[in-house]
Amino acid sequence: AQRVTQPEKLLSVFKGAPVELKCNYSYSGSPELFWYVQYSRQRLQLLLRHISRESIKGFTADLNKGETSFHLKKPFAQEEDSAMYYCALNIGNQFYFGTGTSLTVIP
Amino acid sequence: SQTIHQWPATLVQPVGSPLSLECTVEGTSNPNLYWYRQAAGRGLQLLFYSVGIGQISSEVPQNLSASRPQDRQFILSSKKLLLSDSGFYLCAWSVRVEQFFGPGTRLTVL
Repeated sequence: AQRVTQPEKLLSVFKGAPVELKCNYSYSGSPELFWYVQYSRQRLQLLLRHISRESIKGFTADLNKGETSFHLKKPFAQEEDSAMYYCALNIGNQFYFGTGTSLTVIP
Repeated sequence: SQTIHQWPATLVQPVGSPLSLECTVEGTSNPNLYWYRQAAGRGLQLLFYSVGIGQISSEVPQNLSASRPQDRQFILSSKKLLLSDSGFYLCAWSVRVEQFFGPGTRLTVL
């Protein structure tokens, strides 16, 4: 069963518009959740983790245990945000990734 | 600082041929190591992970295998490649909970 679900394969927004990339997870314990990003011609890299409760490049993600969600948000999208985004769940030594959302920010 | 290397960067192999992809990590010791396959529309699929030398856990039954002959070396192999093995293979390491990914290997099986 898929532990991490990203319902949107493709997402396009205009520059300056808000953006939300959805992520839902399936895990009964205390989850450790992450967002990874892959820019064009670059390696997959960590964007943020829920434990840190930080804002990276203007992005935030809040863990909602009731809805089992960890949506990634940014109030004003920039062109350089165009990339592939993966939501990931860590359980022990294993990481479970969603299928990814390709974000395109239209100038 | 830690770095992770993968080679080759690209590989074209005929069906039925063997495969060996190598991953090495520098600047850390006793990392957890992972092999993923990244396919369009399917995201990152965990293939194998290893918590130590000679310790391999398989997530997906298939004709691939993995080995960890040294602490910082992780090898993905196959005796006979299938067309369906084509894809982008990523190696990653982690200490604690963050993962660091290699540059990947693009494998095309013809």
